[in-house]
Amino acid sequence: ILNVEQSPQSLHVQEGDSTNFTCSFPSSNFYALHWYRWETAKSPEALFVMTLNGDEKKKGRISATLNTKEGYSYLYIKGSQPEDSATYLCARNAGNMLTFGGGTRLMVKP
Amino acid sequence: NAGVTQTPKFQVLKTGQSMTLQCAQDMNHEYMSWYRQDPGMGLRLIHYSVGAGITDQGEVPNGYNVSRSTTEDFPLRLLSAAPSQTSVYFCASSPVTGTGHYGYTFGSGTRLTVV
Repeated sequence: ILNVEQSPQSLHVQEGDSTNFTCSFPSSNFYALHWYRWETAKSPEALFVMTLNGDEKKKGRISATLNTKEGYSYLYIKGSQPEDSATYLCARNAGNMLTFGGGTRLMVKP
Repeated sequence: NAGVTQTPKFQVLKTGQSMTLQCAQDMNHEYMSWYRQDPGMGLRLIHYSVGAGITDQGEVPNGYNVSRSTTEDFPLRLLSAAPSQTSVYFCASSPVTGTGHYGYTFGSGTRLTVV
């Protein structure tokens, strides 16, 4: 995988549903994997930074896992709420350059 | 604590004009960078700096210059604006360079239109 890829591109869920997104990245020359939350008309905000294979991080109802050997990370949202509606970006750091995926746009319907 | 401040928020330029997008941070971050965001393309790195006096090219540097004379400021210069540079520009900073172990702090963005 030459680039950072995210799937799906967009997702519509009902309030209360749990959901997850995938981030795939080149596993070579890996330093860190970042997740950001980007609300419309705002700027991206850091959710997690993960560095070690097997890392799991959690913030409230949002959690993330990391597999550096196979080059993927999952972001999970448990019991989605309308305020979770945003674009979720992952980014791979290889030294001084952070390469972003195209994002997953989540829309949570009340 | 202001974080990362970008000015202006909006700008319209004519083709061939030059301008400077300003970025300032008050967190004493070593690392600063500029990204552009285009529909369907995600955030792409233009230039970055690992400290005062040190800059380097990112993924899409052509048509842009940067300098870093102080830790706080990292301006982005468009030498001769082209319609292809119509985009939303984000400045981002991080405490430490080289490892990516810290999340980036983003400015609020500058929406640039070149006509």
